[in-house]
Amino acid sequence: QVQLKESGPGLVQPSQTLSLTCTVSGLSLTSNSVSWIRQPPGKGLEWMGVIWSNGGTDYNSAIKSRLSISRDTSKSQVFLKMNSLQTEDTAMYFCARDGHYFDYWGQGVMVTVSS
Amino acid sequence: DIQMTQSPASLSASLEEIVTITCQASQDIGNWLSWYQQKPGKSPQLLIYGATSLADGVPSRFSGSRSGTQYSLKISRLQVEDIGIYYCLQAYSAPPTFGGGTKLELK
Repeated sequence: QVQLKESGPGLVQPSQTLSLTCTVSGLSLTSNSVSWIRQPPGKGLEWMGVIWSNGGTDYNSAIKSRLSISRDTSKSQVFLKMNSLQTEDTAMYFCARDGHYFDYWGQGVMVTVSS
Repeated sequence: DIQMTQSPASLSASLEEIVTITCQASQDIGNWLSWYQQKPGKSPQLLIYGATSLADGVPSRFSGSRSGTQYSLKISRLQVEDIGIYYCLQAYSAPPTFGGGTKLELK
């Protein structure tokens, strides 16, 4: 069955870089696209960016300058890197299969930006 | 960016009641609209895609409809397990944008 699982540090200091990994199983990254979505505590959902099945990427323009998404198809992993973190980046971060709707989601990883 | 205006922001309803949540798109998005349910501490779950298609495993009391640029999610007979927050999502054009959410509670 299809599974996605996020991993990464729970605490990041302001101005530092966040690195998250989404490990997928039950699907191939060369024929499936994966998006990152985040949700600040008590707030709504924000799409961050996608890595398409062909390896191309698209990003939310609001955070494009700070965000990078990449993958390792041999390890079935998708990576998110976002620099210059601020307190407003505190959120639950999800990865999800992107077929122009999100049918499979990871459980999410909570990231707190604090000194 | 396409704006998705979701209403109501919160809703209190009784068991077995019919519940309707709407999303108004700021421009034409065709049928590129999906609905999600999120329970506390959990990731969102897909309910409806393509505006009207029921996702696998979703009870048939959930349905989606479209009238122009207004989209609706209907729960025909509210059950306890339907309590949560509901979001719409447009994927017609980048970036995909979510509605603000509807918090559904039991009366």
